[in-house]
Amino acid sequence: DADVTQTPRNRITKTGKRIMLECSQTKGHDRMYWYRQDPGLGLRLIYYSFDVKDINKGEISDGYSVSRQAQAKFSLSLESAIPNQTALYFCATSDLGGIPTDTQYFGPGTRLTVL
Amino acid sequence: AQKVTQAQTEISVVEKEDVTLDCVYETRDTTYYLFWYKQPPSGELVFLIRRNSFDEQNEISGRYSWNFQKSTSSFNFTITASQVVDSAVYFCALGETSGSRLTFGEGTQLTVNP
Repeated sequence: DADVTQTPRNRITKTGKRIMLECSQTKGHDRMYWYRQDPGLGLRLIYYSFDVKDINKGEISDGYSVSRQAQAKFSLSLESAIPNQTALYFCATSDLGGIPTDTQYFGPGTRLTVL
Repeated sequence: AQKVTQAQTEISVVEKEDVTLDCVYETRDTTYYLFWYKQPPSGELVFLIRRNSFDEQNEISGRYSWNFQKSTSSFNFTITASQVVDSAVYFCALGETSGSRLTFGEGTQLTVNP
């Protein structure tokens, strides 16, 4: 079984709809991250969480919110989706005590299309 | 602010050729971390290597090698005797002190033709 899973893997929605992307991990890592990937722009950090009570904004948090329901679960919400949020979304996890330390491991990605 | 530049948007080679992917970074941190990830056509991101700023030793892993030069702020990736399975987008990334908050380059699409 995959260590980091994302659901759904693909989603098509309409402008104005609320969308939640979910991430679960069995790696036992404390740290979790959400990125989006756009062609020609690489990956950009949306939000990150170092533990259940610690959530931080990343480079492009506007229009997004997150919830860390448990150590193993980190959800990303789009409160009112807009077309320029069409992208590939990745969840990642890392462990400060891991070897190599604090290296991020990524889920398979969620392809979101907002019409 | 941190920045990573991968100037090569696309590279195309013929199988068995050697190929080098360039990565140049900018940071004000004295301690930082550099990474390479591979994104095959299936879309997932695969971790390849992590390098600490205080360790300038080059590293070799099979057909892969990495050349870290602080003097030129570069962390280049060479694939020797490329294979079709090496076709992917490769990302270089820069991490702040703890390795978290990665800044990614734009990626280089490598195509290895048979």
